[in-house]
Amino acid sequence: NAGVMQNPRHLVRRRGQEARLRCSPMKGHSHVYWYRQLPEEGLKFMVYLQKENIIDESGMPKERFSAEFPKEGPSILRIQQVVRGDSAAYFCASSPQWTLSGNTIYFGEGSWLTVV
Amino acid sequence: DQQVKQNSPSLSVQEGRISILNCDYTNSMFDYFLWYKKYPAEGPTFLISISSIKDKNEDGRFTVFLNKSAKHLSLHIVPSQPGDSAVYFCAASAGSSTGTASKLTFGTGTRLQVTL
Repeated sequence: NAGVMQNPRHLVRRRGQEARLRCSPMKGHSHVYWYRQLPEEGLKFMVYLQKENIIDESGMPKERFSAEFPKEGPSILRIQQVVRGDSAAYFCASSPQWTLSGNTIYFGEGSWLTVV
Repeated sequence: DQQVKQNSPSLSVQEGRISILNCDYTNSMFDYFLWYKKYPAEGPTFLISISSIKDKNEDGRFTVFLNKSAKHLSLHIVPSQPGDSAVYFCAASAGSSTGTASKLTFGTGTRLQVTL
């Protein structure tokens, strides 16, 4: 299965700890997106990256959140000093750089972060 | 600023009947539109898409209609089946005519319940 792989699926952190979420895109895809879904809400865009480059981080909170997509290895979404409000489902998606018509992005199964 | 809106949070339809899910957008730069289906505790799954150069796209039981002048699109599911019960998200992107990847903006979702 060459789908978008996210891990861990579930993560529990105490307030003040760090959370790291990983995402490996589909084979052949060079673009990664992170979305967040808070309880009872829709999918909110956070950041859009390609290898070694952040293309759009307009949805990222100004503090404590960072993302990277290194030349080798998965994309990482890092949340420092987590607070209860960070509890959410974090979805990664990927797409190829070039598309014939329109940009369809494909999602992973998500990582559920619970801050206690 | 909700650029993509799904004004019906929920919809209940009898099995075998038609389900119609609606979506409105405000950004006139959007030129590619998609529908995703999401089950609880899973990632969104791509269903069907439509480019702004078309007004209809069909795939099996699923048809998407686009009315650019009204900035409105809809998803028709005929006939509806119990397995269609899920949350449906409308999404849109801009700049697709250039063939490059770009982020998607999502609506808040409509929960479809197909009853027996």
